Amino acid sequence: DTGVSQDPRHKITKRGQNVTFRCDPISEHNRLYWYRQTLGQGPEFLTYFQNEAQLEKSRLLSDRFSAERPKGSFSTLEIQRTEQGDSAMYLCASSQQGPGELFFGEGSRLTVL
Amino acid sequence: AQSVSQHNHHVILSEAASLELGCNYSYGGTVNLFWYVQYPGQHLQLLLKYFSGDPLVKGIKGFEAEFIKSKFSFNLRKPSVQWSDTAEYFCAVNAREYGNKLVFGAGTILRVKS
Repeated sequence: DTGVSQDPRHKITKRGQNVTFRCDPISEHNRLYWYRQTLGQGPEFLTYFQNEAQLEKSRLLSDRFSAERPKGSFSTLEIQRTEQGDSAMYLCASSQQGPGELFFGEGSRLTVL
Repeated sequence: AQSVSQHNHHVILSEAASLELGCNYSYGGTVNLFWYVQYPGQHLQLLLKYFSGDPLVKGIKGFEAEFIKSKFSFNLRKPSVQWSDTAEYFCAVNAREYGNKLVFGAGTILRVKS
């Protein structure tokens, strides 16, 4: 399978713990995006990388959130000191063409107890 | 703030019925418009896109969408739905001045009865 892969698919954690999600984009795509989706809502933009450079961050991305793409390939999204409001589906997408033509992964669902 | 509105959250149709899902956006500048679909148990995938030119765009699986600039709308249509069209549909907008983010609507869940 050469699509976007995300790991883990599901994560249950207790409030205050740190969690990390990984995204492996389609190999030839230099653009990588993180979005967050809660029940009944569409995806919300979190951050954007072009190669290894993080070029855009949403105000949704508080200082507890950090994302990296160290070698311009896979990316990680870390949430520190999780809160119940962080419970959501975290979606990764990659693109070669631009911000609209995205290839999404299946997402990492986070539940914070 | 840029926003995208989808008028119906749930739509139920019988097979062979015609479909129209509404999408309106609030941004007045140059926009690129998209519809994404998420089939049950699958990831989001691009259904169709509009950048410029002919305002009537055709996508996969017989879907089409019409961009009406004066109405800030980009409605999705299909003349005859099939049971396999059961899915959640998201309208999304990218405004060039807003950089690299897509703004999504809240989605419309379509259920097609066989």
